[in-house]
Amino acid sequence: DPKIIQKPKYLVAVTGSEKILICEQYLGHNAMYWYRQSAKKPLEFMFSYSYQKLMDNQTASSRFQPQSSKKNHLDLQITALKPDDSATYFCASSQGQGAYEQYFGPGTRLTVL
Amino acid sequence: GEQVEQLPSSLIVQEGASVLINCSYTDSASVYFPWYKQEPGKRLQFIIDIRSNMERKQNQRLTLLFDKKTKHLSLHITATQPGDSAIYFCSASFMPNYNVLYFGSGTKLTVEP
Repeated sequence: DPKIIQKPKYLVAVTGSEKILICEQYLGHNAMYWYRQSAKKPLEFMFSYSYQKLMDNQTASSRFQPQSSKKNHLDLQITALKPDDSATYFCASSQGQGAYEQYFGPGTRLTVL
Repeated sequence: GEQVEQLPSSLIVQEGASVLINCSYTDSASVYFPWYKQEPGKRLQFIIDIRSNMERKQNQRLTLLFDKKTKHLSLHITATQPGDSAIYFCSASFMPNYNVLYFGSGTKLTVEP
């Protein structure tokens, strides 16, 4: 089901570089999210957006910057990459803010060497 | 911070058996508890949810029980099938940040034919 698209599926980067993870949803949802899943930690919430505005930010580092050019897009820019950033990054969306079912994308697996 | 604990980490059962997955949380200002399933190589898929004003919810072979007093949830899956094999995640959102989902570490269920 391609209604939430994440690109690329796999990404390899070198330490110190910058990458952009792409997310597009075609569900007509107003809220979008980013999560990270690494080998060491449970699935972690990163950001939530509603109508292209940042609502919640649980990411301590400013190296992670979400970008929303359109209502159905929420990209994630990561700068000064570190090996600890290696994880699978999931995008999700929901009808609205709050207690709504979230639909997840297939993820982008990032490996930082 | 808010925490969601999930047990067991893995389960192996024979087809037809029932399983119980437990989840507990620390914050009393809980509002919403969605559960997700992740099959190998696939995206997280919503399976059932419950809100803090409910004690029980059923969806076909899934029954979700919620005890607000003990801050505990249980997902009961009956008549398991090999197709139920996946990692199951409980999650929770808390007031006032309804958008932020905190995930448990997951339970890997293997149903053997």
